[in-house]
Amino acid sequence: QVTLRESGPALVKPTQTLTLTCTFSGFSLNSIGVCVSWVRQPPGKALEWLALIDWDDDKYYSPTLKTRLTISKDTSKNQVVLTMTNMDPADTATYYCARTTGGYDASILYLDQWGQGTLVTVSS
Amino acid sequence: SYELTQPPSVSVSPGQTARITCSGDALPNQYGYWYQQKPGQAPVLLIYKNKERPSGIPERFSGSSSGTIVTLTISGVQAEDEADYYCQSADSSGNYGVIFGGGTKLTVL
Repeated sequence: QVTLRESGPALVKPTQTLTLTCTFSGFSLNSIGVCVSWVRQPPGKALEWLALIDWDDDKYYSPTLKTRLTISKDTSKNQVVLTMTNMDPADTATYYCARTTGGYDASILYLDQWGQGTLVTVSS
Repeated sequence: SYELTQPPSVSVSPGQTARITCSGDALPNQYGYWYQQKPGQAPVLLIYKNKERPSGIPERFSGSSSGTIVTLTISGVQAEDEADYYCQSADSSGNYGVIFGGGTKLTVL
């Protein structure tokens, strides 16, 4: 059974750095084609993809946010960590991590298992 | 940048067929994917590679592709299908990553 769980602070102040951890089970991030993505969703708004790390430790970021994001993995702990710098109230959202299926065909890229999400509020 | 366009809302009566479209210039060369999100819940993958259904997804959900449009069809809509639906593809603008459509709210009348 595949599970993912996001953890991190519920409240951060403007200009602070957010660190979120995705702890997963039921799959290996060492397997070819297996990736983990981060996605966020502001209240009442659409999904927004943020970042992805793949089995080969390659990292990909949203072009609009890449200067603020860092994604990393610790396969020994089955964890993926996302940091986002210089937080702003506009970053208030539910943040999800999701197992992502990718591969050498660049058009095969989808999120097949999601965590429950964690709400992060940015406020002073 | 690459975009996927969905209608903001679709309404249908129970038992009828709902069709939700998603348009994108690169869709002839990219697979489309669909997610369902109910209030307060995480998204769930409904359709992958245009028309494939993950195990556990009811047969009334189907996907198709034609040119620059991918379509999610829900046959025999049930009240429980009221949700937000998002299409997705891989970014084709030169950046490897994921692109979501803006989402469609399905209302079951």
